[in-house]
Amino acid sequence: DAGVIQSPRHEVTEMGQEVTLRCKPISGHDYLFWYRQTMMRGLELLIYFNNNVPIDDSGMPEDRFSAKMPNASFSTLKIQPSEPRDSAVYFCASSQREGTEAFFGQGTRLTVV
Amino acid sequence: DQQVKQNSPSLSVQEGRISILNCDYTNSMFDYFLWYKKYPAEGPTFLISISSIKDKNEDGRFTVFLNKSAKHLSLHIVPSQPGDSAVYFCAASGGANNLFFGTGTRLTVIP
Repeated sequence: DAGVIQSPRHEVTEMGQEVTLRCKPISGHDYLFWYRQTMMRGLELLIYFNNNVPIDDSGMPEDRFSAKMPNASFSTLKIQPSEPRDSAVYFCASSQREGTEAFFGQGTRLTVV
Repeated sequence: DQQVKQNSPSLSVQEGRISILNCDYTNSMFDYFLWYKKYPAEGPTFLISISSIKDKNEDGRFTVFLNKSAKHLSLHIVPSQPGDSAVYFCAASGGANNLFFGTGTRLTVIP
């Protein structure tokens, strides 16, 4: 398996624009996570899905953030409108079952100017 | 509020010596703990884990120690190698499937 695949690797956008980050989890993994990495807070969980259903979105910072998982092999994280403080590295991860380690993608470095 | 804390943002160690990375947590419900390693421009990769029913888990050069009464865990790397230079994240979970991560410690192993 190729592992968790995220796209794009880098995204530079202007404030106010919509940004969509994409993730393909490892086949057979039932759990999908979106994390954001910042210097101040490290890795923060934004939202996670189990069998395509959002389970906990309490980490989503604002209504500007939304995430979907239309099928077992694809998820998106959307920021609309984007702001400079959203600049961070966003990671997607997946795991096979509850209580096991998660496998991370390479991340998307987002810069909002 | 950070439930998992790594109070040392960086650590430098001579090659061949022991590296000790520390992690503290506040939630007594956490029952599974993990260490991840992250190289620049890559995602974190799983390194080693420990369940709360144990106080030690060893995998080659890597050993994780858990002190539940102190809510503290540590990762020992011995002997340290230059390729171990990376950012190390401590993570914890308790029941639910989400992991709580610390802010990371950057380890530099000096040849």
